[in-house]
Amino acid sequence: QSVLTQPPSVSAAPGQKVTISCSGSSSNIGTNSVSWYQQLPGTAPKLLIYENDKRPSGIPDQFSGSKSGTSATLGITGLQTGDEADYYCGTWDSSLSAGVFGGGTKLTVL
Amino acid sequence: QVQLQESGPGLVKPSETLSLTCTVSGGSISGYYWSWTRQPPGEGLEWMGYVYYSGSTNYNPSLKSRVTISVDTSKNQFSLKLSSVTAADTAVYYCARGRLGGANWGQGTLVTVSS
Repeated sequence: QSVLTQPPSVSAAPGQKVTISCSGSSSNIGTNSVSWYQQLPGTAPKLLIYENDKRPSGIPDQFSGSKSGTSATLGITGLQTGDEADYYCGTWDSSLSAGVFGGGTKLTVL
Repeated sequence: QVQLQESGPGLVKPSETLSLTCTVSGGSISGYYWSWTRQPPGEGLEWMGYVYYSGSTNYNPSLKSRVTISVDTSKNQFSLKLSSVTAADTAVYYCARGRLGGANWGQGTLVTVSS
């Protein structure tokens, strides 16, 4: 049971937009910034978003992040089959004094 | 471009200690946090802990009694030790820069716990 809650799966058609939610609590998302990671099959996680809404160099504006209260959202526009992957949110939990990840969301581009 | 590479045994016997090293190249280990995250087969990510270049650490409470993370600035490496392993510790282990894992991750190494 993950501290952060994500939907197990989402799907959308090529070219469409999808959002992935990440729900937490006041001790984690409510207090600390959120990161988002993309994990393609058989590869290491790749940072997509940090500090809630910032993109590292090289990450296209196809990916966006937002945070409100104790929830965060990853948005992906212009979906391509190459975007099929597992997506994870992560943040710090001040009560646990530990890093925490969501359970992951599998994106399928139909 | 900072690169990280995990190394260590791919097979560990139950009750023994799992030991992995992460070698950092293309940049200095000084000034940063460095972390370990693992992923059991078919499951999600589990944060294990971090070490600051100065040596201070923070561990996942669920693993705290078994995990030790240390840093060797002279070798530009940091290490993970997990004691008293069981089959449940079978996972891909990733090292990364940052408290939670930022833009730089190793490729991961599969460690299987089996007799």
